[in-house]
Amino acid sequence: GENVEQHPSTLSVQEGDSAVIKCTYSDSASNYFPWYKQELGKGPQLIIDIRSNVGEKKDQRIAVTLNKTAKHFSLHITETQPEDSAVYFCAARISNFGNEKLTFGTGTRLTIIP
Amino acid sequence: SAVISQKPSRDICQRGTSLTIQCQVDSQVTMMFWYRQQPGQSLTLIATANQGSEATYESGFVIDKFPISRPNLTFSTLTVSNMSPEDSSIYLCSVAMLAGNEQYFGPGTRLTVT
Repeated sequence: GENVEQHPSTLSVQEGDSAVIKCTYSDSASNYFPWYKQELGKGPQLIIDIRSNVGEKKDQRIAVTLNKTAKHFSLHITETQPEDSAVYFCAARISNFGNEKLTFGTGTRLTIIP
Repeated sequence: SAVISQKPSRDICQRGTSLTIQCQVDSQVTMMFWYRQQPGQSLTLIATANQGSEATYESGFVIDKFPISRPNLTFSTLTVSNMSPEDSSIYLCSVAMLAGNEQYFGPGTRLTVT
């Protein structure tokens, strides 16, 4: 089955700097890659996603890039703010009809230093 | 995105007992899922809740331990049966409007088994 690796496990950046989190996946059939932000005591919140027919997607300060050949995708957060502090999870999915299983990475704890 | 609520939000239970967790969505959704998140860990899919038929369980999860019901397109329950301390986790309901769409998570149920 699919295996997703995520790095780094922890990341501290100064407020205003950029943060990058990287994930690799094993199954070349995966075609959907969401990113979730989980704050303490809350459920994961979908912040951005990308499908395999697109190489990059941006939403304000957040962007995701996908390299299908290398089987890796990355989350980029620019101009970081204290409220960006959270645990971030990447995931991969093979979207066949009837198979909607998300395989998650191990998470990155991001801390923004004021 | 759909608004997802879970009950209870947290509970402390004695070993050997069972707990039923409810997931309610404010709109009809095609797909509903149950995930487990062990303390400080990533998310693992337990099963896909199918309306009107038996749930589809992932490897390592069985119906006798985690019975699931889904009577309609807005509601599902997960029961954690004959609990042991190893079942202490966050249990998360997730939904997608249609197959292939984004998945959204509820706030989770924090279960502690003593």
